Amino acid sequence: QQQVKQSPQSLIVQKGGISIINCAYENTAFDYFPWYQQFPGKGPALLIAIRPDVSEKKEGRFTISFNKSAKQFSLHIMDSQPGDSATYFCAAHGGYSTLTFGKGTMLLVSP
Amino acid sequence: NAGVTQTPKFRILKIGQSMTLQCTQDMNHNYMYWYRQDPGMGLKLIYYSVGAGITDKGEVPNGYNVSRSTTEDFPLRLELAAPSQTSVYFCASSYSPGSGIQETQYFGPGTRLLVL
Repeated sequence: QQQVKQSPQSLIVQKGGISIINCAYENTAFDYFPWYQQFPGKGPALLIAIRPDVSEKKEGRFTISFNKSAKQFSLHIMDSQPGDSATYFCAAHGGYSTLTFGKGTMLLVSP
Repeated sequence: NAGVTQTPKFRILKIGQSMTLQCTQDMNHNYMYWYRQDPGMGLKLIYYSVGAGITDKGEVPNGYNVSRSTTEDFPLRLELAAPSQTSVYFCASSYSPGSGIQETQYFGPGTRLLVL
């Protein structure tokens, strides 16, 4: 069964700190790894994504680190802000453009 | 572009009732999806469609049905509502794979369903 395991389930970070969310996958056929951000009452929206041929991708304060041999990838949020408080989902792309999602991490950035 | 729209936003059903959750996208995407989201469980794929007239089951299809008669619309049907179907339902769409555009899924705002 295709799985993506995400941790931690919840995270509290002080303003200005670094938020780190980790994901691990099993299926080596996955070829695309997006992170989605979801605010309360809204649908998820793509935040940043990476393909397995690169080890890191950075967009502003958000960075994905990818370790193909370990089958792990992580999201780092630098200088975390209260506006970053949301639920974050990692995902992995399988066949027919279907995505397998992790269970999500609720991030709270305290002022 | 309105993107992906869903109706209704919220609905209360009695056990055994039926209803259709509507989903429409105006981005000319071939691929459309239905997910359910339960607290702490992430997003589970119910059904998806790769184009008009073509649908397939996802991870949790039992109790649901779909149809895809047009590119724009992908309704989700609940025939005999059960308390286990209490959830938030999201519709999403994406470009076809191999189009050269990353396989971003665009989500609607969701339908909150309560079955009592």
